Amino acid sequence: AAGVIQSPRHLIKEKRETATLKCYPIPRHDTVYWYQQGPGQDPQFLISFYEKMQSDKGSIPDRFSAQQFSDYHSELNMSSLELGDSALYFCASSSRRDFYEQYFGPGTRLTVT
Amino acid sequence: AQTVTQSQPEMSVQEAETVTLSCTYDTSESDYYLFWYKQPPSRQMILVIRQEAYKQQNATENRFSVNFQKAAKSFSLKISDSQLGDAAMYFCAYRSGETSGSRLTFGEGTQLTVNP
Repeated sequence: AAGVIQSPRHLIKEKRETATLKCYPIPRHDTVYWYQQGPGQDPQFLISFYEKMQSDKGSIPDRFSAQQFSDYHSELNMSSLELGDSALYFCASSSRRDFYEQYFGPGTRLTVT
Repeated sequence: AQTVTQSQPEMSVQEAETVTLSCTYDTSESDYYLFWYKQPPSRQMILVIRQEAYKQQNATENRFSVNFQKAAKSFSLKISDSQLGDAAMYFCAYRSGETSGSRLTFGEGTQLTVNP
């Protein structure tokens, strides 16, 4: 079965640079979620989109923005990167058909140097 | 705001034995879902089991079962016949039963070691 696809899988950036993470949900899933997992921590919710509209917002820094496109893929844009942004970024997707059960992608490991 | 607490940072079990991981949560909502996710060294988040709050029957998935105590706001995971492949970080998670887009709130995690 098709799974959530995230790209890139690994990304190395320097401080103050910009990064863009991409997420391709499972086909026919209408909701996308972004989570950030720091080293040794549990995943923290950043933001979610339902049918291309923002549906919930967590502790996402103002330096970050995200959107969901007409083909349902989503992008997380991160600017003015800081060392503390180094983390594993997960995208998950869900659909009403599956009771909104969230299926996670493999994650993008971002390292800021 | 909802909170999820896992009071056992680490647990260990002998292969083929049974282990129970604890989780408590706090919410004022009546409609919600609870989950256990497994995160092996690959860091992939894998759904282990789901429990709907409106269901009194405890969920089971093969060797995995839960003990859902709604009044006590407790949601423990029992792993029977533990296998080496069960070694991972386990996260308990809560999700509101409202509309689509509801976030998952995770506990701090329990690192499970399976000894041969």
